[in-house]
Amino acid sequence: DVKVTQSSRYLVKRTGEKVFLECVQDMDHENMFWYRQDPGLGLRLIYFSYDVKMKEKGDIPEGYSVSREKKERFSLILESASTNQTSMYLCASSSVPNTEAFFGQGTRLTVV
Amino acid sequence: QQQVKQSPQSLIVQKGGISIINCAYENTAFDYFPWYQQFPGKGPALLIAIRPDVSEKKEGRFTISFNKSAKQFSLHIMDSQPGDSATYFCAAYSSSNTGKLIFGQGTTLQVKP
Repeated sequence: DVKVTQSSRYLVKRTGEKVFLECVQDMDHENMFWYRQDPGLGLRLIYFSYDVKMKEKGDIPEGYSVSREKKERFSLILESASTNQTSMYLCASSSVPNTEAFFGQGTRLTVV
Repeated sequence: QQQVKQSPQSLIVQKGGISIINCAYENTAFDYFPWYQQFPGKGPALLIAIRPDVSEKKEGRFTISFNKSAKQFSLHIMDSQPGDSATYFCAAYSSSNTGKLIFGQGTTLQVKP
């Protein structure tokens, strides 16, 4: 069974903290994605990676960075968390040329 | 040009009715159009997808209609059931764009018994 695992379902962090969201996939996929989901705004792409150590900005990269040191792991970093980063964060992976994306269950992050 | 616009934002349908969700895009380089279904507390999962060389694809009660000239595509759910109540996202992908998948804004569907 294919699996994308996000390290936390719920997180509460304080303003200004450095936050790490971890994602691991077991399908040997080349592509990995971080999306942010907010009501009425859909899934907005923050960053994606198409290979180890390769990354590309999505539509809303400001305030975020990413790391992909190994093929199976893709980390999203909030350098200094702010309240407007309170959201649901979804990780996904896919393989080229099969473009189906598999999603994790999401991390609900609250910044207080 | 990278946007995918989805409507309506929410939809209420009686059991047995037809649910219709519409999406429009601008970028003619998009060549794969999937629909994802998301239940509360879960990540989205692929429901059905179409490529622009066909105008319709049907899988059970779910049908995608694709209009290449109008740059629009839609999801039809026939004989809608309460178990279909979920959030639906359309998406678009360009094989020339290193796997980047762009999503619409989402539609929350409620099917009343």
